[in-house]
Amino acid sequence: NAGVTQTPKFRVLKTGQSMTLLCAQDMNHEYMYWYRQDPGMGLRLIHYSVGEGTTAKGEVPDGYNVSRLKKQNFLLGLESAAPSQTSVYFCAGGRSSYEQYFGPGTRLTVT
Amino acid sequence: ILNVEQSPQSLHVQEGDSTNFTCSFPSSNFYALHWYRWETAKSPEALFVMTLNGDEKKKGRISATLNTKEGYSYLYIKGSQPEDSATYLCARTGNQFYFGTGTSLTVIP
Repeated sequence: NAGVTQTPKFRVLKTGQSMTLLCAQDMNHEYMYWYRQDPGMGLRLIHYSVGEGTTAKGEVPDGYNVSRLKKQNFLLGLESAAPSQTSVYFCAGGRSSYEQYFGPGTRLTVT
Repeated sequence: ILNVEQSPQSLHVQEGDSTNFTCSFPSSNFYALHWYRWETAKSPEALFVMTLNGDEKKKGRISATLNTKEGYSYLYIKGSQPEDSATYLCARTGNQFYFGTGTSLTVIP
């Protein structure tokens, strides 16, 4: 039981490049979330999903897309990376809207 | 956006001191209040979930209270230890989680 895992752990992108961050969970979570964490800003919700095949926008969705084709995976895509997207990205999952288990984070730098 | 505010932003205490911090939140459309402990280079770890006005939760030396009518929660740490050093986050749930920016606690041996 690995819990919530994130791939990759670190990545450096050039402006305009694209990439996909993978969040995987083996805890049968219905709810999954993507956050970004920036200094002085706390955790801000990018997108979330309340079940397989569903996604919804959070507080800061612009520049990101997500997909939840399988219940255990929640993908976060950056189509054209910008320096403003340099951040630490956390995925979380939960069996209900009252719980969240966080992944270890992905540190992304866009130059 | 449902603003969640935490105070103080940072705190330094001596080992053995007791301490507390505050989480303030809008009281309308309240579902639950969460406290997380977040150590440097790790991911946030859930401490408490509270849903009812007057709720009190305790885990070892750490406890929390909730007042949904006035929109605040307190987290207390009794007899702080160096291993308590972390950032303590609170989050309010409506239809999604809204996090505060955290209180950074440093316990000096």
